[in-house]
Order: sequence, then structure tokens, then C-alpha cells
Amino acid sequence: DAGVTQSPTHLIKTRGQQVTLRCSPKSGHDTVSWYQQALGQGPQFIFQYYEEEERQRGNFPDRFSGHQFPNYSSELNVNALLLGDSALYLCASSREEAYRGPTDTQYFGPGTRLTVL
Amino acid sequence: GQQLNQSPQSMFIQEGEDVSMNCTSSSIFNTWLWYKQEPGEGPVLLIALYKAGELTSNGRLTAQFGITRKDSFLNISASIPSDVGIYFCAGRGTREETSGSRLTFGEGTQLTVNP
Repeated sequence: DAGVTQSPTHLIKTRGQQVTLRCSPKSGHDTVSWYQQALGQGPQFIFQYYEEEERQRGNFPDRFSGHQFPNYSSELNVNALLLGDSALYLCASSREEAYRGPTDTQYFGPGTRLTVL
Repeated sequence: GQQLNQSPQSMFIQEGEDVSMNCTSSSIFNTWLWYKQEPGEGPVLLIALYKAGELTSNGRLTAQFGITRKDSFLNISASIPSDVGIYFCAGRGTREETSGSRLTFGEGTQLTVNP
């Protein structure tokens, strides 16, 4: 049973560039959430995708956008990169069906370490 | 917005000692989760709590969902060197609330275990 996978593992970009990060959810999961984790901090919610649509969004600017594909995998895009965007970007997956009950749980991937120079 | 206060920020203990950490919130959560994160990896789920007052164990780990739904604690008994890592609490609201199913994380507790 494959867990959540993310690519690439590391990425170095310069200010102003654009980046795309990818996530494949755990088998059987249909909902994908993205989080940004700055060094020494807890993860911060960016947005969540379900049925190929953004369902919820955290306090992040429009430079952060995403997409979910029919196979439930997802991309996170960040435009006009700033130095402050350097962080570990985490993808988490869960099952919508489980959410209707009490036992919704999000499982995290290993993350993509983004460094902006 | 919702914020979680997690304490202590760091702990340095001897192998075999018990550990206790907790989270408090200004808002009510319907689910409390505890994760462990090691360097270069994503958070790994340790324990999930779904009902106020619930006490759940996973091996040497025990966690409780506070009655007020605004707090939770995690205990680790008889610590071992592989317990080293950062422990995060996370809360989740209900779909009907603005926060929906997003997780709100604490700042983490860095645990160091000396052999």
C-alpha cells in the first residue's frame, strides 16, 4: 500500500521564478491538502482539493495556486517566488468518505524542501 | 484565527524517563491529532482523538482529548533514544465551521533523549 509521495524532494529557485510541486495521495484517498512548514515552525494550511476543486484556503496570497487531477494527484504552483517562500512543503491526503464519519485523518508525505535564493 | 499553544518548546530527558506535553487552544476542536516528525521527513500520525474526554493509548504513548475540547495532552512512558524528534499537536474543526477539515498545528515540542 503506497503512502503519500511527493516530488521533487529538493528544489532550489531564485527570486521571481515559478515552481511546481507534485503529490500523489495514499491509495484509496481522494482529498489532498497542502501545508507550508517554515524552519522551526508547525505546518501552516495552504489549501485543500477535492473533486478537482479548491475546497478550502488558508491565509496565503494568490501567488499560491493548485490543481487536482482525475486520478486525485495534485500540484502546488507558486509564482513570483520570494525569499520567504523557502520552506518544506507538505502534502497530506485523506478520504472524503471518512470525513462524513468521525474518523477523518490526514496522512503526510515526506515533503519538498524549497530554497529560494 | 485559531491558534494552538504547545508546551514545552523543548525537553531534554534521560532514557527511561516519562514525558508529558500539552496543547491548548482558544477555539474548540472536534478532533485532536498528535504527530511526530523526524529530520527530512513529513509528520507521522501517532494518535487520533475524536471525542471529548477520550483517552487513547498506542504502545508507550497515551493521549487525551480535553473535556472542554480546547486542549489535549500526550504522555510518553519509559522513553527510549528512538523517541527523539519533534512532536506536534493538531486540531481539526467541523465541515460546518469556517476551518472545515483543515488542520491547525502547534509549534512543536523538540524531544531529546540522552542514553
